[in-house]
Amino acid sequence: AQKVTQAQTEISVVEKEDVTLDCVYETRDTTYYLFWYKQPPSGELVFLIRRNSFDEQNEISGRYSWNFQKSTSSFNFTITASQVVDSAVYFCALLSGGSEKLVFGKGTKLTVNP
Amino acid sequence: GAVVSQHPSRVICKSGTSVKIECRSLDFQATTMFWYRQFPKQSLMLMATSNEGSKATYEQGVEKDKFLINHASLTLSTLTVTSAHPEDSSFYICSTQRTPNTGELFFGEGSRLTVL
Repeated sequence: AQKVTQAQTEISVVEKEDVTLDCVYETRDTTYYLFWYKQPPSGELVFLIRRNSFDEQNEISGRYSWNFQKSTSSFNFTITASQVVDSAVYFCALLSGGSEKLVFGKGTKLTVNP
Repeated sequence: GAVVSQHPSRVICKSGTSVKIECRSLDFQATTMFWYRQFPKQSLMLMATSNEGSKATYEQGVEKDKFLINHASLTLSTLTVTSAHPEDSSFYICSTQRTPNTGELFFGEGSRLTVL
């Protein structure tokens, strides 16, 4: 079975702090995709990153970076120098093997205070 | 621009009425579309998989007679919430893949349903 765990339900930081959102996944498949989405209050899902299971390279995009470690089945997301506009719910998700069904974690609500 | 368009974005209806939500693939033909539901402050849960030209596949616990899915063309899937009740109030969002098993997913903008 596929499962995504986001243990942090809510995180609150002050602007300019760095923050890491944790994501641990479970799958028996060797081929899978991991995703991070941002969901602002409007509700629309904003795609942040997709990573396939064969690419363990970490990625940096501006203030965002992702640390993919298959050894610990984790795909953590770090926001550097957080800003108020980063406030949202962030979802980690897994698309595994031959399944077309995306499994979401429960989400982490990030609040960045000025 | 948007690859998947969902309409309406917001709908308020009275209890007992039916509501139709449309999901259109604008950029490619989508043989499969997925419908998710998100209750307030919760995660997205897959409700059903919509297959063009055939019956939808529903996840366990989702009433097929309550949530009617029609995928009559390669670019349009509709979700009809029949005889809606306040507990059906939720955020509904659709998605599709350009090519199966590539992980290239596209989501609609979502539809927020409020049943009074």
